[in-house]
Amino acid sequence: AQKITQTQPGMFVQEKEAVTLDCTYDTSDPSYGLFWYKQPSSGEMIFLIYQGSYDQQNATEGRYSLNFQKARKSANLVISASQLGDSAMYFCAMRGPIQGAQKLVFGQGTRLTINP
Amino acid sequence: EAQVTQNPRYLITVTGKKLTVTCSQNMNHEYMSWYRQDPGLGLRQIYYSMNVEVTDKGDVPEGYKVSRKEKRNFPLILESPSPNQTSLYFCASTPLERGDTQYFGPGTRLTVL
Repeated sequence: AQKITQTQPGMFVQEKEAVTLDCTYDTSDPSYGLFWYKQPSSGEMIFLIYQGSYDQQNATEGRYSLNFQKARKSANLVISASQLGDSAMYFCAMRGPIQGAQKLVFGQGTRLTINP
Repeated sequence: EAQVTQNPRYLITVTGKKLTVTCSQNMNHEYMSWYRQDPGLGLRQIYYSMNVEVTDKGDVPEGYKVSRKEKRNFPLILESPSPNQTSLYFCASTPLERGDTQYFGPGTRLTVL
């Protein structure tokens, strides 16, 4: 069974600092994908970044990067130069192999607060 | 514009009164799914569908029904809602051949009194 663990219920960071949100996963499938989503107070799920299990390089999207350490089964999200608008709930999620049901398994989330 | 729409966005109802939350996508995706979000638990899958007339249970299907009569629509039905179904509900869709794309609807906040 697949499992995602986010061990930081909440984080407080000063504006402009970099922040790392932790995510560890467990799966026996060799093929999988890892996602990070942002959920602001308005409630929608905003896709941030994706990493495939066979991708050789860490994914990056603007200020977001994914620190993918396959042997340690970790997929931490790094936000560089944090902004007040980054305050939100962040979810790490995993899907199994593309063939078949593409269910996402989510972690419990981390609430990030950026202080001015 | 590619999107997943849900209606209603907010709903307050009473125990036992049947309700339907609609979900529609305009991207011709095969795979659609419903999740519920509860504090401290993240999102959990309720039901999913891999194509028209093909549906199956997710992790928390009790108290819910779905149907997939058309490819674009995947309604969630609560035949007899109870207070423990108060939650934030998300519909999602994805093309079966791609693994890096999951489109979420805006969410439906349901309160059952």
